[in-house]
Amino acid sequence: SQTIHQWPATLVQPVGSPLSLECTVEGTSNPNLYWYRQAAGRGLQLLFYSVGIGQISSEVPQNLSASRPQDRQFILSSKKLLLSDSGFYLCAWRMDRGYNEQFFGPGTRLTVL
Amino acid sequence: LAKTTQPISMDSYEGQEVNITCSHNNIATNDYITWYQQFPSQGPRFIIQGYKTKVTNEVASLFIPADRKSSTLSLPRVSLSDTAVYYCLVATGGFKTIFGAGTRLFVKA
Repeated sequence: SQTIHQWPATLVQPVGSPLSLECTVEGTSNPNLYWYRQAAGRGLQLLFYSVGIGQISSEVPQNLSASRPQDRQFILSSKKLLLSDSGFYLCAWRMDRGYNEQFFGPGTRLTVL
Repeated sequence: LAKTTQPISMDSYEGQEVNITCSHNNIATNDYITWYQQFPSQGPRFIIQGYKTKVTNEVASLFIPADRKSSTLSLPRVSLSDTAVYYCLVATGGFKTIFGAGTRLFVKA
């Protein structure tokens, strides 16, 4: 069966510090991978998606970046965090295209102080 | 991508049937309607998907009229554990998935 991991589960970082969040998927090959952010009490905002190694599509211009160095690894990064980067970050995977359901990881709660 | 509109929040009592309606006026011919459920501090999970008429599974039913410009998620006999946010999405054949603000359902004892 497939599983998706995210770490860390929680993170408290000062403004201006770097960020690296990691997501890995097990039990499947060539998944489509997604990063979402959810502000408190809000819906999910699509940040990035990837259809293959090294292929990243950005949905929202901001100080975040994503990379996919391996087939089942997706990394979200920032060189300098802003207060507005606080939120709940979710990684998800899906096979093929948009008719299939997405499977979400447990999420990372990021607080920028 | 077709935009969806759904109520911001709803209240219900245990044992009642809850119907959440979503409008998607610009849905395309090949699009499907999908619903997800999200509990606090968890990622959303798929509930149900349909194209037209009625779809039923062990969790919910989805009603889609002939014009497909709206859909209704029906939760039979809700319990306190059904308190969550419910998202209506239009699933296209593309790679992107757009989640709206969702509907916050609060089930009271």
